[in-house]
Amino acid sequence: DAGVIQSPRHEVTEMGQEVTLRCKPISGHDYLFWYRQTMMRGLELLIYFNNNVPIDDSGMPEDRFSAKMPNASFSTLKIQPSEPRDSAVYFCASSLRGGESSQPQHFGDGTRLSIL
Amino acid sequence: AQSVAQPEDQVNVAEGNPLTVKCTYSVSGNPYLFWYVQYPNRGLQFLLKYITGDNLVKGSYGFEAEFNKSQTSFHLKKPSALVSDSALYFCAVREFGDDKIIFGKGTRLHILP
Repeated sequence: DAGVIQSPRHEVTEMGQEVTLRCKPISGHDYLFWYRQTMMRGLELLIYFNNNVPIDDSGMPEDRFSAKMPNASFSTLKIQPSEPRDSAVYFCASSLRGGESSQPQHFGDGTRLSIL
Repeated sequence: AQSVAQPEDQVNVAEGNPLTVKCTYSVSGNPYLFWYVQYPNRGLQFLLKYITGDNLVKGSYGFEAEFNKSQTSFHLKKPSALVSDSALYFCAVREFGDDKIIFGKGTRLHILP
Protein backbone atom coordinates (compact mmCIF):
# COMPACT_ATOMS: atom_id res chain seq x y z
CA ASP A 1 0.00 0.00 0.00
CA ALA A 2 1.68 3.20 -1.18
CA GLY A 3 1.88 5.96 1.35
CA VAL A 4 1.89 9.70 0.76
CA ILE A 5 4.41 10.53 -1.95
CA GLN A 6 6.20 13.85 -2.10
CA SER A 7 8.57 15.21 -4.70
CA PRO A 8 11.23 16.36 -4.91
CA ARG A 9 12.86 15.08 -1.71
CA HIS A 10 15.42 17.85 -1.81
CA GLU A 11 15.35 21.22 -3.53
CA VAL A 12 18.10 23.82 -3.55
CA THR A 13 17.46 27.04 -5.41
CA GLU A 14 18.38 30.69 -5.39
CA MET A 15 16.40 33.47 -3.83
CA GLY A 16 13.74 34.84 -6.12
CA GLN A 17 13.13 31.61 -7.99
CA GLU A 18 9.78 29.86 -8.11
CA VAL A 19 9.55 26.61 -6.16
CA THR A 20 6.88 23.96 -6.65
CA LEU A 21 6.43 21.09 -4.22
CA ARG A 22 4.26 18.12 -5.15
CA CYS A 23 2.19 15.64 -3.20
CA LYS A 24 0.23 12.50 -4.02
CA PRO A 25 -2.04 11.51 -1.12
CA ILE A 26 -3.08 8.00 -0.21
CA SER A 27 -5.80 6.80 -2.54
CA GLY A 28 -9.26 7.27 -1.04
CA HIS A 29 -8.20 9.87 1.50
CA ASP A 30 -10.38 12.95 1.30
CA TYR A 31 -8.30 15.32 3.44
CA LEU A 32 -4.90 16.73 2.53
CA PHE A 33 -2.68 18.88 4.74
CA TRP A 34 0.49 20.88 4.05
CA TYR A 35 2.89 21.49 6.96
CA ARG A 36 6.23 23.24 7.38
CA GLN A 37 8.82 22.11 9.94
CA THR A 38 11.68 24.24 11.23
CA MET A 39 13.86 24.04 14.31
CA MET A 40 12.63 27.39 15.54
CA ARG A 41 8.89 27.04 14.95
CA GLY A 42 8.35 23.30 14.99
CA LEU A 43 5.55 21.85 12.87
CA GLU A 44 3.18 24.45 11.39
CA LEU A 45 -0.02 23.75 9.47
CA LEU A 46 -0.08 25.86 6.32
CA ILE A 47 -3.30 24.84 4.58
CA TYR A 48 -5.66 21.90 4.27
CA PHE A 49 -8.13 20.62 1.69
CA ASN A 50 -11.28 18.53 1.88
CA ASN A 51 -12.41 16.86 -1.34
CA ASN A 52 -9.97 19.06 -3.29
CA VAL A 53 -11.41 22.29 -1.84
CA PRO A 54 -9.21 24.53 0.37
CA ILE A 55 -10.83 24.77 3.80
CA ASP A 56 -8.37 26.73 5.91
CA ASP A 57 -5.36 28.63 4.58
CA SER A 58 -4.82 30.78 7.67
CA GLY A 59 -1.38 29.25 8.18
CA MET A 60 -0.03 30.33 4.82
CA PRO A 61 2.63 32.85 5.78
CA GLU A 62 2.39 35.27 2.88
CA ASP A 63 0.88 35.82 -0.54
CA ARG A 64 4.07 34.36 -1.96
CA PHE A 65 2.69 30.96 -0.93
CA SER A 66 -0.12 29.27 -2.84
CA ALA A 67 -1.53 25.75 -2.90
CA LYS A 68 -3.78 23.89 -5.28
CA MET A 69 -5.44 20.52 -5.48
CA PRO A 70 -6.69 20.01 -9.03
CA ASN A 71 -7.83 16.46 -8.36
CA ALA A 72 -8.03 13.87 -5.60
CA SER A 73 -4.60 12.44 -6.32
CA PHE A 74 -2.42 15.53 -6.64
CA SER A 75 -1.60 18.74 -4.82
CA THR A 76 1.04 21.42 -5.20
CA LEU A 77 2.51 24.03 -2.89
CA LYS A 78 4.14 26.91 -4.71
CA ILE A 79 6.41 29.65 -3.43
CA GLN A 80 7.00 32.62 -5.73
CA PRO A 81 9.33 34.40 -5.26
CA SER A 82 11.27 32.28 -2.78
CA GLU A 83 13.29 33.78 0.09
CA PRO A 84 16.00 32.29 2.36
CA ARG A 85 13.58 32.30 5.33
CA ASP A 86 11.40 29.83 3.44
CA SER A 87 14.08 27.17 3.95
CA ALA A 88 12.45 24.32 5.86
CA VAL A 89 11.13 20.80 5.48
CA TYR A 90 7.66 20.77 3.93
CA PHE A 91 5.38 17.84 4.65
CA CYS A 92 2.20 16.69 3.03
CA ALA A 93 -0.23 14.49 4.98
CA SER A 94 -3.53 12.88 4.12
CA SER A 95 -6.33 11.34 6.14
CA LEU A 96 -9.66 9.63 5.75
CA ARG A 97 -12.55 11.79 6.92
CA GLY A 98 -12.10 14.72 9.22
CA GLY A 99 -12.90 16.02 12.64
CA GLU A 100 -15.59 13.52 13.52
CA SER A 101 -13.27 10.64 12.81
CA SER A 102 -10.44 9.24 14.87
CA GLN A 103 -8.42 8.47 11.75
CA PRO A 104 -4.81 9.69 12.03
CA GLN A 105 -2.99 11.70 9.42
CA HIS A 106 -0.42 9.89 7.28
CA PHE A 107 2.68 11.85 6.38
CA GLY A 108 4.98 11.80 3.40
CA ASP A 109 8.75 11.93 3.88
CA GLY A 110 8.87 15.63 3.11
CA THR A 111 10.72 18.00 0.83
CA ARG A 112 13.82 19.61 2.28
CA LEU A 113 13.93 23.08 0.75
CA SER A 114 17.00 25.28 0.84
CA ILE A 115 16.84 28.81 -0.54
CA LEU A 116 20.27 30.35 -1.06
CA ALA B 1 -8.64 26.55 21.69
CA GLN B 2 -6.83 23.27 21.61
CA SER B 3 -3.23 23.01 22.80
CA VAL B 4 -0.61 20.40 23.52
CA ALA B 5 2.42 20.70 25.78
CA GLN B 6 5.46 18.46 25.82
CA PRO B 7 7.42 19.78 28.78
CA GLU B 8 10.70 18.02 27.98
CA ASP B 9 12.78 18.93 24.94
CA GLN B 10 14.93 15.84 25.45
CA VAL B 11 14.75 12.61 27.42
CA ASN B 12 17.72 10.32 27.98
CA VAL B 13 17.18 6.70 29.00
CA ALA B 14 19.54 3.76 29.29
CA GLU B 15 18.80 0.81 27.04
CA GLY B 16 16.62 -1.75 28.78
CA ASN B 17 15.13 0.78 31.21
CA PRO B 18 11.52 1.91 31.05
CA LEU B 19 10.84 5.19 29.29
CA THR B 20 8.19 7.88 29.62
CA VAL B 21 7.62 10.85 27.34
CA LYS B 22 5.22 13.37 28.84
CA CYS B 23 2.30 15.15 27.21
CA THR B 24 -0.50 17.32 28.53
CA TYR B 25 -3.35 18.74 26.50
CA SER B 26 -6.14 21.27 26.63
CA VAL B 27 -9.44 21.02 24.72
CA SER B 28 -12.93 22.27 25.39
CA GLY B 29 -14.64 19.08 24.23
CA ASN B 30 -13.81 15.41 23.85
CA PRO B 31 -10.27 14.79 22.63
CA TYR B 32 -8.75 12.38 20.22
CA LEU B 33 -5.10 11.96 21.24
CA PHE B 34 -2.23 10.71 19.12
CA TRP B 35 1.46 9.94 19.34
CA TYR B 36 3.72 10.12 16.32
CA VAL B 37 7.41 9.32 15.89
CA GLN B 38 9.84 10.94 13.45
CA TYR B 39 13.11 9.33 12.43
CA PRO B 40 15.85 11.37 10.71
CA ASN B 41 14.93 12.51 7.20
CA ARG B 42 11.51 10.87 7.41
CA GLY B 43 7.95 12.03 7.89
CA LEU B 44 5.93 11.63 11.06
CA GLN B 45 4.79 8.07 11.61
CA PHE B 46 1.61 7.24 13.54
CA LEU B 47 2.23 5.20 16.73
CA LEU B 48 -1.07 5.05 18.60
CA LYS B 49 -4.27 6.89 19.41
CA TYR B 50 -6.80 7.28 22.19
CA ILE B 51 -10.45 7.62 21.28
CA THR B 52 -12.45 6.44 24.23
CA GLY B 53 -12.63 3.49 26.59
CA ASP B 54 -9.62 1.84 28.17
CA ASN B 55 -7.19 4.44 29.49
CA LEU B 56 -4.16 2.35 28.48
CA VAL B 57 -3.66 2.29 24.74
CA LYS B 58 -1.23 -0.05 23.01
CA GLY B 59 0.49 0.84 19.77
CA SER B 60 3.32 0.00 17.43
CA TYR B 61 6.84 -1.16 18.42
CA GLY B 62 5.82 -2.01 22.01
CA PHE B 63 4.76 1.52 22.89
CA GLU B 64 1.74 2.31 25.00
CA ALA B 65 0.18 5.48 26.33
CA GLU B 66 -1.86 6.23 29.42
CA PHE B 67 -4.78 8.63 29.22
CA ASN B 68 -5.54 10.51 32.43
CA LYS B 69 -8.60 12.73 32.14
CA SER B 70 -8.24 14.42 35.53
CA GLN B 71 -4.64 15.41 34.80
CA THR B 72 -5.32 16.02 31.09
CA SER B 73 -2.26 13.95 30.28
CA PHE B 74 -1.40 11.34 27.70
CA HIS B 75 2.11 10.08 28.49
CA LEU B 76 3.91 7.70 26.15
CA LYS B 77 5.57 4.69 27.74
CA LYS B 78 7.59 1.61 26.95
CA PRO B 79 8.67 -1.03 29.50
CA SER B 80 12.13 -1.63 28.03
CA ALA B 81 13.84 0.90 25.75
CA LEU B 82 15.82 -0.01 22.66
CA VAL B 83 18.58 2.06 21.04
CA SER B 84 16.44 2.02 17.89
CA ASP B 85 13.72 3.93 19.79
CA SER B 86 15.91 7.05 19.60
CA ALA B 87 13.88 9.57 17.61
CA LEU B 88 11.68 12.67 17.86
CA TYR B 89 8.25 12.05 19.40
CA PHE B 90 5.19 14.22 18.91
CA CYS B 91 2.02 14.27 20.94
CA ALA B 92 -1.08 15.57 19.14
CA VAL B 93 -4.71 16.34 19.91
CA ARG B 94 -7.80 16.71 17.80
CA GLU B 95 -11.03 17.96 19.28
CA PHE B 96 -14.10 16.08 18.11
CA GLY B 97 -15.52 17.90 15.09
CA ASP B 98 -12.31 19.78 14.24
CA ASP B 99 -10.48 18.64 11.12
CA LYS B 100 -7.11 19.88 12.32
CA ILE B 101 -4.68 18.08 14.58
CA ILE B 102 -2.60 20.22 16.94
CA PHE B 103 0.94 18.95 17.43
CA GLY B 104 3.24 19.51 20.37
CA LYS B 105 6.77 20.79 19.84
CA GLY B 106 8.25 17.32 20.08
CA THR B 107 10.52 15.51 22.54
CA ARG B 108 13.83 14.07 21.42
CA LEU B 109 14.37 10.65 22.95
CA HIS B 110 17.94 9.36 23.31
CA ILE B 111 18.39 5.74 24.29
CA LEU B 112 21.92 5.19 25.57
CA PRO B 113 23.57 1.82 24.93
